[in-house]
Amino acid sequence: EDQVTQSPEALRLQEGESSSLNCSYTVSGLRGLFWYRQDPGKGPEFLFTLYSAGEEKEKERLKATLTKKESFLHITAPKPEDSATYLCAVHSLNRDDKIIFGKGTRLHILP
Amino acid sequence: EAQVTQNPRYLITVTGKKLTVTCSQNMNHEYMSWYRQDPGLGLRQIYYSMNVEVTDKGDVPEGYKVSRKEKRNFPLILESPSPNQTSLYFCASSSTGLAGVNEQFFGPGTRLTVL
Repeated sequence: EDQVTQSPEALRLQEGESSSLNCSYTVSGLRGLFWYRQDPGKGPEFLFTLYSAGEEKEKERLKATLTKKESFLHITAPKPEDSATYLCAVHSLNRDDKIIFGKGTRLHILP
Repeated sequence: EAQVTQNPRYLITVTGKKLTVTCSQNMNHEYMSWYRQDPGLGLRQIYYSMNVEVTDKGDVPEGYKVSRKEKRNFPLILESPSPNQTSLYFCASSSTGLAGVNEQFFGPGTRLTVL
């Protein structure tokens, strides 16, 4: 059965303290892995799409990487405005066009 | 402005009273989907549609219906709502490409309470 697991569930960092969020997945074949950011009470906002192992994408303080079993969202020198829930989602080969989301990581950056 | 709109944003209803949540997108996207989000369970896909007149079940379709008569609209229908359908609902749309579904654009959400 296809699964997406995110860790940790929650993370508190000091402003400027870099860290990584993990998204591990078990699927029969990966079509695409997506990262989203969600602020409280709002819909998720797209950050990155990764398609193949070894691929990396960057945007401001965020960098997403992909291996055959997991993806990392690296946050460098975060600021309080980076506080949000970060969601990982997978589109797999054997699930038609269903999308599976992980439960997310709640990130809180302390000033 | 490119957007996905949902209505209503908030709804309180009673068990068994049929309701419809509308969703519309102005980006000419082929793919549309409904999700529910519950504490501790994350986002779960209810139904999705790859194009007009084509709909498929997601992971939690029980108690819901959808239709896709026009490309821009994808309403979610609860024929006989029950308290366990109390949740935050999101509609999303996406273009499609060689790899399948691209990044999704989400609506603002509909908070539904069923008493």
